[in-house]
Amino acid sequence: EIVMTQSPATLSVSPGEGATLSCRASQSISNNFLAWYQQKPGQPPRLLIYGASTRATGIPARFSGSGSGTEFTLTISSLQSEDFAVYYCQKYNNWPVTFGQGTRLEIK
Amino acid sequence: EVQMLESGGGLVQPGGSLRLSCAVSGFTFNTYAMTWVRQAPGKGLEWVSTISTSGGSTYYADSVKGRFTISRDNSENTLYLQMSSLRAEDTAIYYCAKSLHPGDSLRGVFDYWGQGTLVTVSS
Repeated sequence: EIVMTQSPATLSVSPGEGATLSCRASQSISNNFLAWYQQKPGQPPRLLIYGASTRATGIPARFSGSGSGTEFTLTISSLQSEDFAVYYCQKYNNWPVTFGQGTRLEIK
Repeated sequence: EVQMLESGGGLVQPGGSLRLSCAVSGFTFNTYAMTWVRQAPGKGLEWVSTISTSGGSTYYADSVKGRFTISRDNSENTLYLQMSSLRAEDTAIYYCAKSLHPGDSLRGVFDYWGQGTLVTVSS
């Protein structure tokens, strides 16, 4: 089973600044089948990015994904108040689908 | 508008059973694989099970294999999760989720999620 490790566990950033979240896989993710989700308290996850770099429908351009193989990054430019949440990466190239443990993005 | 409504959660004793349902509308249900994902209180996301468009193929996490059964009724636009031999560690919010892509070639990324139903396993 591929293990997904996210870093840092918590990231404190001021509104208007940018944030970089990392996700590392224990084995290479074929075809870049890597997704990112955002989750706010009391809400289900929201798909942000799939295929490592394709934004889902309705996701603002300040969210971008990059990476390949075992190293992936979610970058959020110019953080807005609504961006402070928990972010999960997820690999889906084979079974089992696995999620990272999450990065909490908090207001500094 | 896509709508997904889970039901069936509640308090159950260890060793007990429960059946979750997810009623959907707003998309052509029988053309998308469907999935259950759970989240223990204060914890991260854990994939539980996925079912193909026809229901002919099913996939399970090792943690639930042999105890949980996923199924679907395409005539009723409803997804199910039959849970048995429940354990304390099954306590979680259970979300149903729709695959982003139609068909069965790529089923593991999810664009719509229900609000979830809470399952509590406790004596």
